[in-house]
Amino acid sequence: AQSVAQPEDQVNVAEGNPLTVKCTYSVSGNPYLFWYVQYPNRGLQFLLKYITGDNLVKGSYGFEAEFNKSQTSFHLKKPSALVSDSALYFCAVRGGGKLIFGQGTELSVKP
Amino acid sequence: GAGVSQSPSNKVTEKGKDVELRCDPISGHTALYWYRQRLGQGLEFLIYFQGNSAPDKSGLPSDRFSAERTGESVSTLTIQRTQQEDSAVYLCASSLLAGALHFGNGTRLTVT
Repeated sequence: AQSVAQPEDQVNVAEGNPLTVKCTYSVSGNPYLFWYVQYPNRGLQFLLKYITGDNLVKGSYGFEAEFNKSQTSFHLKKPSALVSDSALYFCAVRGGGKLIFGQGTELSVKP
Repeated sequence: GAGVSQSPSNKVTEKGKDVELRCDPISGHTALYWYRQRLGQGLEFLIYFQGNSAPDKSGLPSDRFSAERTGESVSTLTIQRTQQEDSAVYLCASSLLAGALHFGNGTRLTVT
């Protein structure tokens, strides 16, 4: 069965610094990987996905993610964090049709 | 419609009552998902519909939970004999076959 792990419950970053939110996965076959963001009291929004092709995927709001097959990772990155990036971030993997989410990582960006 | 619509947005019910939650997916989306999100926690997969295939019910936590979908349209999630542990936000999402999920705003269920 597929699974997703987000090892950090919380990530704290100063505004303007680069950020990384970690994700590792387990799935049989080729992975379909996703990142979603949830702002307070709002629904989940799609950020980016990896299906095939380049290992570096670019998405919304300046975010990108790097697919690493050997490490089974799909870390979310941004070169320069904004205070408005503070939110809950979810990594997800598709296996057998359904999409399984990680437990989420709370990103806090301080001025 | 423009997005995934869920109703009601909030539901308060007494322990032991049945509740029905509704989801209207984006037109043309063949896949529909239900998730549960308890306060401060991640998304727990409940059930997945894809076209006319048999639904994947592997995430339903007990036989008190059931869901139906009419073709590629509306879905209802029913919780019978609600318990306080059922209190959560229930999220519905739809997608094309292997595409990104589009989420509704959820139904916040409170069981008193």
